[in-house]
Amino acid sequence: NAGVTQTPKFRVLKTGQSMTLLCAQDMNHEYMYWYRQDPGMGLRLIHYSVGEGTTAKGEVPDGYNVSRLKKQNFLLGLESAAPSQTSVYFCASSYYSQETQYFGPGTRLLVL
Amino acid sequence: DQQVKQNSPSLSVQEGRISILNCDYTNSMFDYFLWYKKYPAEGPTFLISISSIKDKNEDGRFTVFLNKSAKHLSLHIVPSQPGDSAVYFCAASGRGSARQLTFGSGTQLTVLP
Repeated sequence: NAGVTQTPKFRVLKTGQSMTLLCAQDMNHEYMYWYRQDPGMGLRLIHYSVGEGTTAKGEVPDGYNVSRLKKQNFLLGLESAAPSQTSVYFCASSYYSQETQYFGPGTRLLVL
Repeated sequence: DQQVKQNSPSLSVQEGRISILNCDYTNSMFDYFLWYKKYPAEGPTFLISISSIKDKNEDGRFTVFLNKSAKHLSLHIVPSQPGDSAVYFCAASGRGSARQLTFGSGTQLTVLP
């Protein structure tokens, strides 16, 4: 089992560019999450999904969109990147409403 | 408005001694608490959890204590080992369909050999 994987590992964008971060899990988890982590702060929830075809907003959803077309994949999109979106992005997944979330290795994004 | 606070950004402990990491919360709706450990360039990994119906949970060298009246929890690591050096995040969740986790800002633990 690969667990939770994230693509890419690192990316540099210019302000205004768009990109999509891919998260994949092979544990047949229903719930998937996208977080961002900034220096001196904990992980903050951007968006989450409770099942295939569903998405919901988390604590800091502005500037991001998500899609969950397949159960194993959760995509995070930035339509027009801003320097404030420079961060490390983590994807996680879990069984139904269990609290133990399994995290991917992270994607480091730098927006210039 | 941080609902989960870890007021100590860093902690250094000698190998073999006890490490105590603290966490405070403000939301009385939180009823489940977790600790995650994170190494550099890796994602957080689940360490231990506790439900609000308990005041203590043990797993090997790791024990989590919950004081509901003080809205405080702590993680004890005994004995501490150099491999325990990592950032430790406290997280909490409340009743809700998605059980969203609210994380603290983390404490960097360094265990000195």
